[in-house]
Amino acid sequence: EVQLVESGGGLVKPGGSLRLSCAASGLTFTSYTMNWVRQAPGKGLEWVSSISSSSSYIYYADSVKGRFTISRDNAKDSLHLQMNSLTAEDTAVYYCTTGSSFWGQGTLVTVSP
Amino acid sequence: DIQMTQSPSSLSASVGDRVTITCRASQSISKYLNWYQQKPGKAPRLLIYTASTLQNGVPSRFSGSGSGTDFTLTISSLQPEDFATFYCQQSYSTPPTFGPGTTVDIK
Repeated sequence: EVQLVESGGGLVKPGGSLRLSCAASGLTFTSYTMNWVRQAPGKGLEWVSSISSSSSYIYYADSVKGRFTISRDNAKDSLHLQMNSLTAEDTAVYYCTTGSSFWGQGTLVTVSP
Repeated sequence: DIQMTQSPSSLSASVGDRVTITCRASQSISKYLNWYQQKPGKAPRLLIYTASTLQNGVPSRFSGSGSGTDFTLTISSLQPEDFATFYCQQSYSTPPTFGPGTTVDIK
């Protein structure tokens, strides 16, 4: 069974930082481009970032470019998202996903004073 | 970036109804269109990929069609467990943009 398990969410003050992680199991992690997708409370889905299987290709949404950094550790089947300079607009559930088929349960990030 | 629109934004329907949701892309995306179902508090679930291919385990009452810029998700006979929000997503180019969603609720 494929599992993607996110961690690292929580409450952070504006301007603060958080590092999200996603632990993958039950799939050949190195075969997949991995993504972060977020969903603000009561809103739709927003793609945040992608990283190719070998980390050669990395993309960011304009809304997070320069503040967020995606990375992966293929030896540990894990995906990460370093989030800096957080604002209230970053408040959302963050999902780790292979892009379509497999999604984690999400981790909530709340940016508030 | 490719913009995705959906119509309607919400609809009310009864069990057994045939439901159709439309998704439109701002430029041609060939058949690179996914459909997801999301229930409150849950992650999205892939229903259909490449516009018309049913994901493993998805009931056959769900179907998808279209190519280019116009796509349709059809539920042939709505079941109680189908009440949810449905999103389309283009996977033709980066960023892989989502539609705004269509909420299907009980009439």
